[in-house]
Amino acid sequence: AQKVTQAQTEISVVEKEDVTLDCVYETRDTTYYLFWYKQPPSGELVFLIRRNSFDEQNEISGRYSWNFQKSTSSFNFTITASQVVDSAVYFCALSGGVSGGYQKVTFGTGTKLQVIP
Amino acid sequence: DTEVTQTPKHLVMGMTNKKSLKCEQHMGHRAMYWYKQKAKKPPELMFVYSYEKLSINESVPSRFSPECPNSSLLNLHLHALQPEDSALYLCASSQGGADTQYFGPGTRLTVL
Repeated sequence: AQKVTQAQTEISVVEKEDVTLDCVYETRDTTYYLFWYKQPPSGELVFLIRRNSFDEQNEISGRYSWNFQKSTSSFNFTITASQVVDSAVYFCALSGGVSGGYQKVTFGTGTKLQVIP
Repeated sequence: DTEVTQTPKHLVMGMTNKKSLKCEQHMGHRAMYWYKQKAKKPPELMFVYSYEKLSINESVPSRFSPECPNSSLLNLHLHALQPEDSALYLCASSQGGADTQYFGPGTRLTVL
């Protein structure tokens, strides 16, 4: 069985602070994919990043960076110099083997980030 | 930019009504998904059409009925819903297999 744990339910930061959202996963698959999605109040789930289990390189995209560590089964997400527009619920997700032509995605429970101006 | 569209954005219906939610994707994907999301919860998968084959979450009640007229369109037919079915319904698409799922803006459904 797959599991994704986002222990931080809600985080509040003041604008321009850095913030890290934690994600810990469990899977028995040797090949798997990890994702982060952003869900602003409007409701749409916005895809941010996907990593496969064989690529542990950290990634940076503008103010966003991701730290993937297989040794600790973690895939953490850092926002540098946070902005009010970053306020949203962030979901970490995991998918493994393909069955029936698609991969079932397991979502974490989400972390609500509030950036205070 | 998302190329998954959903209509309507909001829907209010009574328990005796029949309505449909519509989803369209313009990315040439071969798999489409319906998710249900209750407030402060993650999305839950309801149905998948992958290469025109339907996969169902066995816990979804029969008052929800999916339809996939072609690989770009996905409908969710609603009949005799209950107030607890009020939620955000999200459509997603992907190439299938291990590809990333891209989501639409969702339909906020309220059942009175």
